[in-house]
Amino acid sequence: GENVEQHPSTLSVQEGDSAVIKCTYSDSASNYFPWYKQELGKRPQLIIDIRSNVGEKKDQRIAVTLNKTAKHFSLHITETQPEDSAVYFCAARGFSTPLVFGKGTRLSVIA
Amino acid sequence: DTEVTQTPKHLVMGMTNKKSLKCEQHMGHRAMYWYKQKAKKPPELMFVYSYEKLSINESVPSRFSPECPNSSLLNLHLHALQPEDSALYLCASSQGGGQGIGQPQHFGDGTRLSIL
Repeated sequence: GENVEQHPSTLSVQEGDSAVIKCTYSDSASNYFPWYKQELGKRPQLIIDIRSNVGEKKDQRIAVTLNKTAKHFSLHITETQPEDSAVYFCAARGFSTPLVFGKGTRLSVIA
Repeated sequence: DTEVTQTPKHLVMGMTNKKSLKCEQHMGHRAMYWYKQKAKKPPELMFVYSYEKLSINESVPSRFSPECPNSSLLNLHLHALQPEDSALYLCASSQGGGQGIGQPQHFGDGTRLSIL
């Protein structure tokens, strides 16, 4: 089955700097890659997703890149703000398989 | 702006109690999910319903019993739980039947369950 590795497990950045979180997946048939943000005590919230027919997607300060050959995808947050502090989960799924989550990255943005 | 509604938000129960968790969505989604999440861990899939039929059971103990009465509702019946079952239980839904090109899954706020 699918296995998703996520790095780093914790990340601290200064406000205004960029943050990058990386994930690798094992199943070459995976075709959908969402990213979730989970603040303490709250639900996972979908922040951006990408499908296997696209290499990059941007939404304001957030971008995701996908390298199908290397089987890795990354989340980029620019101009970080304190409210970006949360746990971020990447995930991957195939045509008829459920989402498999990475173990999460705890991002701290220091003001 | 949560479109997946879960009740109750908190539940404390003894090991001999029977209780139910409820989930509702009105987005017309045809796939619904139950996840269990322990602190500092990712959500862990328990069950998937596709077009109101159970399509995935991730080897969940029988003390957890899911039910999908209609396309908008999903229940999780609990009986004889153990202390290690204490966790946040999340419901999610997505368009289609949970298969095919990936559709976004939207989570509810969860039920925080404590087993005494």
